[in-house]
Amino acid sequence: DAGITQSPRHKVTETGTPVTLRCHQTENHRYMYWYRQDPGHGLRLIHYSYGVKDTDKGEVSDGYSVSRSKTEDFLLTLESATSSQTSVYFCATQKLARGQETQYFGPGTRLLVL
Amino acid sequence: SQQGEEDPQALSIQEGENATMNCSYKTSINNLQWYRQNSGRGLVHLILIRSNEREKHSGRLRVTLDTSKKSSSLLITASRAADTASYFCATDAGAGSYQLTFGKGTKLSVIP
Repeated sequence: DAGITQSPRHKVTETGTPVTLRCHQTENHRYMYWYRQDPGHGLRLIHYSYGVKDTDKGEVSDGYSVSRSKTEDFLLTLESATSSQTSVYFCATQKLARGQETQYFGPGTRLLVL
Repeated sequence: SQQGEEDPQALSIQEGENATMNCSYKTSINNLQWYRQNSGRGLVHLILIRSNEREKHSGRLRVTLDTSKKSSSLLITASRAADTASYFCATDAGAGSYQLTFGKGTKLSVIP
C-alpha cells in the first residue's frame, strides 16, 4: 500500500474558524487529490494537484483552498468552516504512468463543524 | 455530478453466494475501476478494466465492461463475511484526463 497519512484523523471545530487538514505521502506520486464523502453523495472531488505548486479545482471547491509546496504534502484549508463542511475528508495519490492509473487513499479525517 | 452510478444501493446475501453489482456511466471513458471501502476506512483499489477490454478477472472478482451500453458489472464469487463493505465504481473523463469520478456505491452485507 502507498504510504499515505492524514492528520488530524478527527477534528471538532466551530463555525467560522479556519481548519487545515494535512495529507502526507511517501511514494513520490505526482498527483494528489482531496475528496469529501457524505451520505447519499459518494466521493466528490474538492481540489487536486498535478505537481508542486500546481493545483486545480474539483467539483465542490467553494470554501476550500489547497497548497502543495512539496511533493509529499498536500494541505486542504477550510477558510471559514461551516456546518455544511462537516464530512469525512479523504486524500488520495496517483502515480500517473501507463498502467498506473490507480488512486491510493489515506485513512480519512472526520471533521465536525459545530 | 456523478459519472458512475451503482446498482443496487444495498445488497444482502448469504456467505458462499455470488454478489453482482452494476455500474452505469454517461460519457466515454479510458478505463473503469472498482474500489472497496470497509467501514471507517479509506478506499482500496480492486481492479481496472480498460475501454478496449470486455472482461477481466482477479481472484474471486470478475469485471465486465460494455462500452456500447456504458455499463460495467462486478461479480464476487463465493462471497465471505470479510467481503462485507461498500463497493464503488470510478470512471475517468476520457481524452487524457486522469481524474476519477466515483459513484455513490453499493453496500454489500455478507451474512455468515
